[in-house]
Amino acid sequence: KAGVTQTPRYLIKTRGQQVTLSCSPISGHRSVSWYQQTPGQGLQFLFEYFSETQRNKGNFPGRFSGRQFSNSRSEMNVSTLELGDSALYLCASSIGTGVNNEQFFGPGTRLTVL
Amino acid sequence: KNEVEQSPQNLTAQEGEFITINCSYSVGISALHWLQQHPGGGIVSLFMLSSGKKKHGRLIATINIQEKHSSLHITASHPRDSAVYICAVPQRSGGSNYKLTFGKGTLLTVNP
Repeated sequence: KAGVTQTPRYLIKTRGQQVTLSCSPISGHRSVSWYQQTPGQGLQFLFEYFSETQRNKGNFPGRFSGRQFSNSRSEMNVSTLELGDSALYLCASSIGTGVNNEQFFGPGTRLTVL
Repeated sequence: KNEVEQSPQNLTAQEGEFITINCSYSVGISALHWLQQHPGGGIVSLFMLSSGKKKHGRLIATINIQEKHSSLHITASHPRDSAVYICAVPQRSGGSNYKLTFGKGTLLTVNP
């Protein structure tokens, strides 16, 4: 069974631009969560989608948004990029939501904002 | 104060040594995750446990829910164990929803 895939793996953008990142979960997994990892803040939860609905959202500004499609693939979008948005963005999929679901992480997309 | 505290932040060991990484948390949980992140970014889930002890190969994870503490042990450490080890706890965020809250990670370097 294929693992979680994320595209693109690397991305360079300039301030003010917007970016869309994609995540394909493991087949059969309906929950996709997104995380931001920076050297200063570590890993932080962005949002979770389940069955095309946002179930949960972390403490990030409205410039960060996402969606999930009927095949469970998910995208996240960051508008009006800032230098501080440079980070590794990880998505993780699980069969369902709830505390007892193991999450499987993708390789991440490394975003650099110049 | 971070709700999930890991210690130590950095750990250097010689090949073959027994390694212990600790995680303390302040929120009430029913499960805790241990993750491994190698250089380059990929994260692998090592354990998810809610009580007692789990073992996988040379890795052992224990948890004490009452004391809100978990440990990750590596027996007979090897240079390939060099990675960042992160503990994470699910934190309820309204209704039946939860989000993972992460520790800052422990950078383990095992020298040959």
